Formats: sequence, structure tokens, C-alpha cells
Amino acid sequence: NAGVTQTPKFRILKIGQSMTLQCTQDMNHNYMYWYRQDPGMGLKLIYYSVGAGITDKGEVPNGYNVSRSTTEDFPLRLELAAPSQTSVYFCASIDRGPPLAKNIQYFGAGTRLSVL
Amino acid sequence: GIQVEQSPPDLILQEGANSTLRCNFSDSVNNLQWFHQNPWGQLINLFYIPSGTKQNGRLSATTVATERYSLLYISSSQTTDSGVYFCAVEGSSASKIIFGSGTRLSIRP
Repeated sequence: NAGVTQTPKFRILKIGQSMTLQCTQDMNHNYMYWYRQDPGMGLKLIYYSVGAGITDKGEVPNGYNVSRSTTEDFPLRLELAAPSQTSVYFCASIDRGPPLAKNIQYFGAGTRLSVL
Repeated sequence: GIQVEQSPPDLILQEGANSTLRCNFSDSVNNLQWFHQNPWGQLINLFYIPSGTKQNGRLSATTVATERYSLLYISSSQTTDSGVYFCAVEGSSASKIIFGSGTRLSIRP
């Protein structure tokens, strides 16, 4: 049971390049989330998904896209990377089924992205 | 959307001291969690506590949902408690889980 796995761990992009951050979970969780954390700051919600085929915007969705074709995978796509997207990106999942005590988020180790 | 405020932003203590961290939120919540982010960036869930009180060793948490705040208590602090503590909430009308800006705790030996 690996939990939430993010790849890559580190990446450097040039301005205008595109990339996909991968996130997969093996816990059969229905809800998944993408956050970004700028240096010294809290986590900001980018997108989230309540199940396969369903996604919705969070607090800071501009410049990103997501898809959720399977329960396990929730990739985050950056199009036309900008220096403002330099951040650490975290993926998380949560099991919203009963009992309520399972309603805790599990986080991946993060992807550190620099756009130069 | 729901707003989350944490205080204090920074806290420096000597090993062995006790501390109280606060999380205020602007609306009723379905979900409230406390997380610890260690110096290596790893996020670990401490409590799921939308209401009531829970304890786990030296840590305990209390959420008073009717007054829209939660408290995290750390007793007999150890240097390994250092890091950033986040409160994360989900409002009753949405599935978004929003994080506060955190409390940075530094425990000095």
C-alpha cells in the first residue's frame, strides 16, 4: 500500500513550456485534491475531484487543468509555464465514505517545480 | 467561500513548554483537520475533529463548532514538534478543503 504517489519529485521548466504532474493513489479514495505551497506560505487549493469524471475549481485554478478518468489517477497539467507557478505542488486524497472517522486527507510527498 | 485564520503565526518555545494554537473559521464546517508539516515538507494528519475533543499522546484538540474555532494543544514540547501546524476546513456547502496560513512552531533545546 503506497498511499499517494507523486511524480516527478523535482522539475525545472523554461517559461512557456508545458508539463503534467502525476498523482496516483492506491487506497480507492473517491476525493482527490491538488494544492500549491509557495515558500513560507500555506496551501492553496488548485482543483479537486469528487470522483472519476468530475472535477471542480479551487482557490487558484488559473494556468492549470486537470482530468480524472480513473479513481486512482488525478494528473495536473501546466500549460505555458510562468515564473509565478514556481512552487511545491501537493496531491491529496480522502475517503468520504462512512464511517466519518475516515475523513482525513493523505498527502503525497510533493513536487518541487521551478519555472525559469 | 469559507475563511480560515490561524494564530499565532510564529511561536518559539523552550523544550518542555506547553502551547496552544488557534484556528478560527468563518462558517459552519463538515470537516476540520489539523496537520503537522515537518521541516522536510511532509504533511501528516494529526486530528480529524469537526467537533468535540480528541487526544493523542501529548497532543490534543478541541473544536467548538458553534463558536467557529478549534484549538490544538501541545504539552511537554520536544524539538521534534518543530514545524508548521495547519488547520484545514471544509465548509458545509462545498467539498473544498481550505487551509489556514499556519503556525510556525520552533522548539529550542
